[in-house]
This record gives sequence, C-alpha cells and structure tokens, in this order.
Amino acid sequence: GESVGLHLPTLSVQEGDNSIINCAYSNSASDYFIWYKQESGKGPQFIIDIRSNMDKRQGQRVTVLLNKTVKHLSLQIAATQPGDSAVYFCAEEGATNKLIFGTGTLLAVQP
Amino acid sequence: DGGITQSPKYLFRKEGQNVTLSCEQNLNHDAMYWYRQDPGQGLRLIYYSQIVNDFQKGDIAEGYSVSREKKESFPLTVTSAQKNPTAFYLCASSIASGRRTEAFFGQGTRLTVV
Repeated sequence: GESVGLHLPTLSVQEGDNSIINCAYSNSASDYFIWYKQESGKGPQFIIDIRSNMDKRQGQRVTVLLNKTVKHLSLQIAATQPGDSAVYFCAEEGATNKLIFGTGTLLAVQP
Repeated sequence: DGGITQSPKYLFRKEGQNVTLSCEQNLNHDAMYWYRQDPGQGLRLIYYSQIVNDFQKGDIAEGYSVSREKKESFPLTVTSAQKNPTAFYLCASSIASGRRTEAFFGQGTRLTVV
C-alpha cells in the first residue's frame, strides 16, 4: 500500500544553521512529491515540489532532494530562521491520484 | 482574492448530532479533498472529489459524508456514526487530480464534541 513516513519527529537547530528534514516513502510508483509547512492552528502551506524525473530542485533558501533508489526525500533549509519553526510534512502522489501525507517533523529553531 | 475558505473556524457538537463543515474555493479547481488531523499527527484523507458530482472514499471515510454539487463547494458532514470526531479538519483543492500540481489548503475547522 501507499505510505509516507518521516525519520525524525522533532528537529532542533540553532538560528543560522542549515536544517535537513527527511522523509521515506514506500510506493515506488509515486511520481510527485511535495513539502508543506504547517504553523500551529493553520492549514499547510506549499513550500516546494519535485517530480520523479528530477533528483534535485531549489527554491528560495530551500532545496528538495529525491533519491528514488532508496525511496527517500529530504528538505534542506539554509540559514534557518525563527520563522521557519513549524511542522513540516512530505506528501506523495501516485497512480491513485490521492495526495498521501507523512506524519510530520517539528522543526524548532533556537535563537 | 482567490483562495479556499473553510467555515466555521471552531465548531462544537453534542453527542449524537450531525454537523456540516463548509469548504468553498474560487480557484476554479476541479479536485477537492478533506483531511483529518489529530494532535501531533499527520493528515489522513477522508474523501476526495476529482470532478463535480463525483467523489471517492479516502482512508478514513466511515462516519463521514460529502457532496459535490458545485465545482466551488465540497461540504463535509460528520455524522453521529463517527465515534471520535474531535479533530482538526482541513479542506484542500488542486487544479485537477492527477495533474501533479500542489494542493492549496484552507485554514481548517476545529471540531470538538461536548
């Protein structure tokens, strides 16, 4: 079946450091992946996406890496800021056209 | 402004009552979704609709019902059959299911059974 999971439920980093949030997926047929940021009491916000024909995609301060061989996805945030503190979810979409979410990682940025 | 709107933000339900959560979008999106989020947990798919007058069950559809009579609207009814309805409910929409584009989320409805 489809499932998406995260290795680390909580990640604590110092302000200014780089953050890496990891995600494992089990459905090799998934071909589209998204990272979302969710602040407390709010809906998730889109950060960046990547299709399975790519290994890396960069945005503003964020980079997503996709390793299809080991079915692993990561989100890198450069120069982490206090405003980056939130829960981060990865999500996958495959042949069923359903968007499936992982359990999330809480990123805590220490001043 | 274009967007997706959920209402109400907070909702209280008595045991045995049905309640309906509203979700409206003016993004001209074909696909709409309902997710449930429990504290400290991820999002679980309740129902989704790829087009007007059509919808499919997600992973946790029992105790919920939906309708998609209009493209803009996808209301979710939490019935008395849902044994543990207290949760944060999120509605989302995307251009079209299967198009591999991001889904946009509303701000959520927090439902509490009293």
